[in-house]
Amino acid sequence: NAGVTQTPKFRILKIGQSMTLQCAQDMNHNYMYWYRQDPGMGLKLIYYSVGAGITDKGEVPNGYNVSRSTTEDFPLRLELAAPSQTSVYFCASKNLQNTEAFFGQGTRLTVV
Amino acid sequence: RKEVEQDPGPFNVPEGATVAFNCTYSNSASQSFFWYRQDCRKEPKLLMSVYSSGNEDGRFTAQLNRASQYISLLIRDSKLSDSATYLCVVTINTGGFKTIFGAGTRLFVKA
Repeated sequence: NAGVTQTPKFRILKIGQSMTLQCAQDMNHNYMYWYRQDPGMGLKLIYYSVGAGITDKGEVPNGYNVSRSTTEDFPLRLELAAPSQTSVYFCASKNLQNTEAFFGQGTRLTVV
Repeated sequence: RKEVEQDPGPFNVPEGATVAFNCTYSNSASQSFFWYRQDCRKEPKLLMSVYSSGNEDGRFTAQLNRASQYISLLIRDSKLSDSATYLCVVTINTGGFKTIFGAGTRLFVKA
């Protein structure tokens, strides 16, 4: 059972580079989320999606973009990486608003 | 004001102790409530949902007070394996449903 799969697991970027963090789920969930977690801190919502073709900003969307062209995939794009984006990024999905969210194992990103 | 607030702790308790965590939320459109557990450098996992009537799962009891916009988690007979960060989670109806996490409360259970 794959669940939520995030790739890559680790990445080091130089300032100004761009990259896409991939997230895929095979549970046919409508809701998908991207969070970042800084060391010793909680999760902050970057973007979320309630279904294919629909995305919305969370608490900390600046510097990021997302798309949801299919139910399964919800990639997160960093266009101009900055040191402040060094963090662990978690993708999650859920079926309905009052159900459990399933998380990927996270992507550890360092911007130098 | 943060949408979900928790005491960050840490709580340091001996094995067998009872410990309680509190969480407040600010958005009256909040509809669903959860407690998640996160182990160091791991992804969060659902501990339990929180219902208005209160609910219990073994040593864990969760309660919700909608009037005060307050959620609690009680852990009885703490075990070493309970050491983790406990995250209060709220789903808010914004037309869609965004899920907001509190910053978490760290618990250390010691022998």
